[in-house]
Amino acid sequence: DIVLTQSPATLSVTPGDSVSLSCRASQSISNNLHWYQQKSHESPRLLIKYASQSISGIPSRFSGSGSGTDFTLSINSVETEDFGMYFCQQSNSWPHTFGGGTKLEIK
Amino acid sequence: QVQLKESGPGLVAPSQSLSITCSVSGFSLTNYGVHWVRQPPGKGLEWLGVIWAGGSTNYNSALISRLSITKDNSKSQVFLKIPSLQTDDTAMYYCARALYGSGLGYWGQGTTLTVSS
Repeated sequence: DIVLTQSPATLSVTPGDSVSLSCRASQSISNNLHWYQQKSHESPRLLIKYASQSISGIPSRFSGSGSGTDFTLSINSVETEDFGMYFCQQSNSWPHTFGGGTKLEIK
Repeated sequence: QVQLKESGPGLVAPSQSLSITCSVSGFSLTNYGVHWVRQPPGKGLEWLGVIWAGGSTNYNSALISRLSITKDNSKSQVFLKIPSLQTDDTAMYYCARALYGSGLGYWGQGTTLTVSS
């Protein structure tokens, strides 16, 4: 199975900061990598698909990059509504594994 | 609009079996696959499996001997079955559908399962 390692586990930031979250795959997954946001007591929400493709209705401050094994989710000027958990998921091969998550918290 | 909604028993005793239903609307199960994902309390997401429009399935290799995903297209329902539940099956269970291609763009609200005596 492909293992996705997310770092850091926790990121403490101040609203207005710009941040980068990392997701590293144990083998190449091309661009078959998707990013989700999950707030407390809510279902996950798809932010970015296929590493860098934007999703309708998602603010433009969220962007994704990378291919192969190294991927990044960037948030330009974090807003208070952005705090929560972020997960990556690969769909390159079965099973479609998730990363362990990064918690974005207010400093 | 696309909607998914899970329903389940809530509390089940260890060694009992589980069946959770995902009722969908706004799309046809003959055109889209439905995935199952679970999340233990305070932990991350675990992909369980998918049933495709044609009825074929893919499962998490670690759970393949314990999972069964079926569906009833006419009732717009997908079913997740786990025999012989264990306490570490306690989790929130979600069903989800991909946007065009991949990436799970539509999620149900989830249903909580607690395995306890």
